[in-house]
Amino acid sequence: DTEVTQTPKHLVMGMTNKKSLKCEQHMGHRAMYWYKQKAKKPPELMFVYSYEKLSINESVPSRFSPECPNSSLLNLHLHALQPEDSALYLCASSRLWGRVGTFEKLFFGSGTQLSVL
Amino acid sequence: DAKTTQPNSMESNEEEPVHLPCNHSTISGTDYIHWYRQLPSQGPEYVIHGLTSNVNNRMASLAIAEDRKSSTLILHRATLRDAAVYYCILRALSGNTPLVFGKGTRLSVIA
Repeated sequence: DTEVTQTPKHLVMGMTNKKSLKCEQHMGHRAMYWYKQKAKKPPELMFVYSYEKLSINESVPSRFSPECPNSSLLNLHLHALQPEDSALYLCASSRLWGRVGTFEKLFFGSGTQLSVL
Repeated sequence: DAKTTQPNSMESNEEEPVHLPCNHSTISGTDYIHWYRQLPSQGPEYVIHGLTSNVNNRMASLAIAEDRKSSTLILHRATLRDAAVYYCILRALSGNTPLVFGKGTRLSVIA
């Protein structure tokens, strides 16, 4: 099973709502990532988790709150978003992160298409 | 970070080979060249990576120039399913370099 599963596939929310995006993998990977992709643009890294601890936060606004409750699950909690936050949110995982001398392939989910009204 | 330059778009006929170029004139000695692709309505997927020598796998081949300032991803026989955005990415072998995407090349395959 080389699948990264993201739910929901589509989400519409108002600026005052609180919602969460969920990402799950059962490949035994210990690194998980959130990327944001605007239409016709490349994905942009938001967060990196390694062994359930936050390793990289690419200066993401606090209205995006990541959480990694266990090695298989990654959440992205959303609160007070703006219309410009509408985008495809991609989750990815890799076997490891930060191990010198190796490259780890990233496995991506199909994303959650978020619309903020 | 060393940058890559790719054509915005390319077109190919089905069942013909496709050569996708990537320029990386500021590449450093420890940068590996990675390729990912993103099919419509999907997340990116790994294609291939290499350092100096040409590389082959079941999906594609990677040809790297002798001076490493450019590389070419080769799809030997394009199918409609290969229509995607192809990203050429440089990653330093430091263990904690994230995957940073450039603009990529949008490949269209014509039946």
